[in-house]
Amino acid sequence: SQQGEEDPQALSIQEGENATMNCSYKTSINNLQWYRQNSGRGLVHLILIRSNEREKHSGRLRVTLDTSKKSSSLLITASRAADTASYFCATGRDDKIIFGKGTRLHILP
Amino acid sequence: ETGVTQTPRHLVMGMTNKKSLKCEQHLGHNAMYWYKQSAKKPLELMFVYNFKEQTENNSVPSRFSPECPNSSHLFLHLHTLQPEDSALYLCASSQDGTEDGELFFGEGSRLTVL
Repeated sequence: SQQGEEDPQALSIQEGENATMNCSYKTSINNLQWYRQNSGRGLVHLILIRSNEREKHSGRLRVTLDTSKKSSSLLITASRAADTASYFCATGRDDKIIFGKGTRLHILP
Repeated sequence: ETGVTQTPRHLVMGMTNKKSLKCEQHLGHNAMYWYKQSAKKPLELMFVYNFKEQTENNSVPSRFSPECPNSSHLFLHLHTLQPEDSALYLCASSQDGTEDGELFFGEGSRLTVL
């Protein structure tokens, strides 16, 4: 299916460390987006990477896309307590944006 | 403030009740969406409206009835719901309804069906 699947399901790291989350999908896509969701709140868009791009940066975020492996990764560098949230990848194709189940990230003080 | 406002934030209803969720976007977008978020499941796309026309109905049961009177307002009318319909219902908007668009989400309406 087009739906992305994040890995790991949950991740706990110490503040200041880097956090890496992965997303795999099964069909071809036009783009892939990453979103963040704080507990019980709405999702917030982080970054969009197109199928012809391999890497994209935004502040402490680095996203890679490997279309041959149908996978993407989100790296958050120098993590902070405020980064504690769920992170979702969303694949885009045929005017649809389909979300995965997400990775729950917990930053330990 | 994300520009997308959902009311009510919390709703408890019995299976025989009729209620409505409301979403309003102040971003000048042309597309609006309803997503359902249940525990341990991916966000489920329910409905998409583009320029007030429904362009997607993802096999949603008829007990959920959407209404989009204009590009700024979206409703989800609820009737004879089941306990498994308890979830966080998220409204979103985007500029043009394509997969290239960034989705702007509201804070969600937490629905509990007793």
